[in-house]
Formats: sequence, C-alpha cells, structure tokens
Amino acid sequence: AQSVTQPDIHITVSEGASLELRCNYSYGATPYLFWYVQSPGQGLQLLLKYFSGDTLVQGIKGFEAEFKRSQSSFNLRKPSVHWSDAAEYFCAVGGGNFGNEKLTFGTGTRLTIIP
Amino acid sequence: DAGVIQSPRHEVTEMGQEVTLRCKPISGHNSLFWYRQTMMRGLELLIYFNNNVPIDDSGMPEDRFSAKMPNASFSTLKIQPSEPRDSAVYFCASTSGTSYNEQFFGPGTRLTVL
Repeated sequence: AQSVTQPDIHITVSEGASLELRCNYSYGATPYLFWYVQSPGQGLQLLLKYFSGDTLVQGIKGFEAEFKRSQSSFNLRKPSVHWSDAAEYFCAVGGGNFGNEKLTFGTGTRLTIIP
Repeated sequence: DAGVIQSPRHEVTEMGQEVTLRCKPISGHNSLFWYRQTMMRGLELLIYFNNNVPIDDSGMPEDRFSAKMPNASFSTLKIQPSEPRDSAVYFCASTSGTSYNEQFFGPGTRLTVL
C-alpha cells in the first residue's frame, strides 16, 4: 500500500530564510509525486510535480523539490521565503498505468512565517 | 477553463436534514474525487469515479453518505441524515487520464451541521 509521511506538523521560519519541508513516501513502483499548497480558506493548489526524468523539479512561486529514490524522499525547498508563503503544504504520491488513480496525501505541514 | 466548480460554497443546516453537495469537474477530465477535510482527521478521500463509475468508496464513512456521477460533467455527494460530526470542508477534484494523476481541486464546500 502506498503512504506518505510528512514528519513536521508545524514549521516556523523567518521571512527571507531558506525552507525545506520533508516528505517520505512508500510506493511499489515508480511514483508520481506532488506538492500542493493550501492557503487558509482555499482549496489545494499544485506547486510542482515529478513524473520522470530530471530529479530536481521546479514549481511555481520559486519552489523546487528533489526526488531521491534511494531515500524515498521528495523534499520541498525554497531559498528565501516570503510572508505570503504561510500556508499548509501537502505531499502526495500516486501512480498506476492509467494515470487517473487515486493519490495518497500526507498529513500536511503548516508553515508560519515570522517577520 | 473555469476549473472545478463546487456549490454551495457554504452550507449551514440542522442535524437530521439532508445535504447535497455538487461538483462540476473540468471539461474533458474523466476522473472525479470527493475529499473531506477536518482538523482532527486531515484530508480524507471519500470516493472516486473513473468514467462516471465509482471505483473506490472505501472512504465513505457510513451509509448516510452517498455519491453519484450521472454524467461526465456533474457529481453529487449526499448526506442523509446529517449529523454535527459531518461538519467539515468537502473538496471535489478532477483529473484526466493523461495528466499522470495530477488532481485539480475545487474551492470546497464548508458544511456546518448544527
């Protein structure tokens, strides 16, 4: 069975500091990996995704993530956070031959930005 | 495209009443997912459809919950009778068979059962 672990429930960083959110997954084949962001009162928005190829993927809002198969990880990074990055971040894993099977989401990491 | 559309955005009802949530997926998408989000349980998949057929409803909490997808452009999630513990934000998401499972989420329906 597939699973996603986001070990950090809540992270606080200063504006302008670097950020890394951790994600570990369990999946029996080559995974499709995603990071979504949810601002308060909003739906989930896709930040970036990995299907194949280059293991370092770039997303919107200056985010990037690196797929490390040996560590079963897909950590999200940003070199300098902005106050508007305060939100909840979800890692998800999926796969399947048909490309439309369900995703398994992690429990989320809440990011707080301090001035 | 307008994205995934959900209605209503907010619903307040009394315990015992029937509640119907609606979702219109992105045109051309052939898979639709219903999620529930609460502080206690996080984001839970309730049910999903491929080509209008329910594939996995193992997340539906109990018989009070039912979901239908009569055509490719419309789905409903019904709770009858509703209970206070059903209070949550309900999200609908859709994806196409060519998008490698990338799901597009609607804005959600915030349900409050008094």
